[in-house]
Amino acid sequence: GNSVTQMEGPVTLSEEAFLTINCTYTATGYPSLFWYVQYPGEGLQLLLKATKADDKGSNKGFEATYRKETTSFHLEKGSVQVSDSAVYFCALRGSGGYQKVTFGIGTKLQVIP
Amino acid sequence: ETGVTQSPTHLIKTRGQQVTLRCSSQSGHNTVSWYQQALGQGPQFIFQYYREEENGRGNFPPRFSGLQFPNYSSELNVNALELDDSALYLCASKRGQLDDTDTQYFGPGTRLTVL
Repeated sequence: GNSVTQMEGPVTLSEEAFLTINCTYTATGYPSLFWYVQYPGEGLQLLLKATKADDKGSNKGFEATYRKETTSFHLEKGSVQVSDSAVYFCALRGSGGYQKVTFGIGTKLQVIP
Repeated sequence: ETGVTQSPTHLIKTRGQQVTLRCSSQSGHNTVSWYQQALGQGPQFIFQYYREEENGRGNFPPRFSGLQFPNYSSELNVNALELDDSALYLCASKRGQLDDTDTQYFGPGTRLTVL
């Protein structure tokens, strides 16, 4: 079955530091890939997505590139802010007809001033 | 603000009881999915409803059931509650069924505690 593996946190960074959260996946065919963010006390919000190989999703300074050859979808941001503190989930949706969304375990990011 | 609301926010039940959680989707969203998120874990897919019929299910027993109504609201029912059912329950809605370009919008969740 489909699965998502992401680095376990927590990740603690100083403000303006560079962020990378690793995500790799296992799936047949050509899944769609997502990053969701969950701020404290809130539900999940879609941060960015990519639906085919070599696509780059981007939003709010975050980027992730769909790498089929390495089955990866790493999340990056050049300069994090305190307001980026949240839990980040990598997820995939399989290809072909109806497919559920499979989430990773989540990586907690804490940005300190 | 995603336009998806859930009630109640928090709920405490005892083992063996039954619970109903509610979700109100955005107008026009025909698909609703329910997820269980245990503490420190990622959301696990429970099931999905499209136009009032279940059309996908994760690895959850039949005591987890659902309903979707024509007014874009839905329910998650859990019978014979167990301690391990304690979790945050999320609903998510989207416009279409299979279209990957449609964004899935999540509600804030209902925190269920089973004692």
